[in-house]
Amino acid sequence: DTAVSQTPKYLVTQMGNDKSIKCEQNLGHDTMYWYKQDSKKFLKIMFSYNNKELIINETVPNRFSPKSPDKAHLNLHINSLELGDSAVYFCASSHGQGGGQTQYFGPGTRLLVL
Amino acid sequence: GDSVTQMEGPVTLSEEAFLTINCTYTATGYPSLFWYVQYPGEGLQLLLKATKADDKGSNKGFEATYRKETTSFHLEKGSVQVSDSAVYFCALKNNAGNMLTFGGGTRLMVKP
Repeated sequence: DTAVSQTPKYLVTQMGNDKSIKCEQNLGHDTMYWYKQDSKKFLKIMFSYNNKELIINETVPNRFSPKSPDKAHLNLHINSLELGDSAVYFCASSHGQGGGQTQYFGPGTRLLVL
Repeated sequence: GDSVTQMEGPVTLSEEAFLTINCTYTATGYPSLFWYVQYPGEGLQLLLKATKADDKGSNKGFEATYRKETTSFHLEKGSVQVSDSAVYFCALKNNAGNMLTFGGGTRLMVKP
């Protein structure tokens, strides 16, 4: 059973397009996240979301928006894609938001903007 | 703000060698500390964690001890295998927030 799944696994698109990446977790977790991993493997939080609160990393452009149809899903929508958006995007989830809670990661979506 | 610093890689070792990957952190309060591993082409998997000072996390032969006095969480393994080749990330999560702050990652290459 896949705990945190993402689709698509690979996404190649043109600059200026709008695209979405889907994330689903079957762990019953109440908090989900999106991370961006750049070409040097550096990982950075983009969003944290539960059914009460959305926390946005202030460095994330407003072209990026998370959308959560229900507690098990947190999709990432990207408008007007730019070359610099090329990266691997990871979804994660956790039970609660306490310091010691483990975050479980999806397999990643490799986005290439041409 | 919070930050995590890891030794830069790649670290190249022969099979059965001893491994140390250094990790130090800066944070307010008392964060929880994590090591994640990313195998080629895959997502991140939790390797081990420690939630308070002097705790030792361990898994699959890897260990790391939460040292508050030196703000460190170094990863060690006594005898590495080729299958341990991966990128290792040290991370912290402050009790005041719910987001992980990652180090830059250290690539480990183990040769037979």
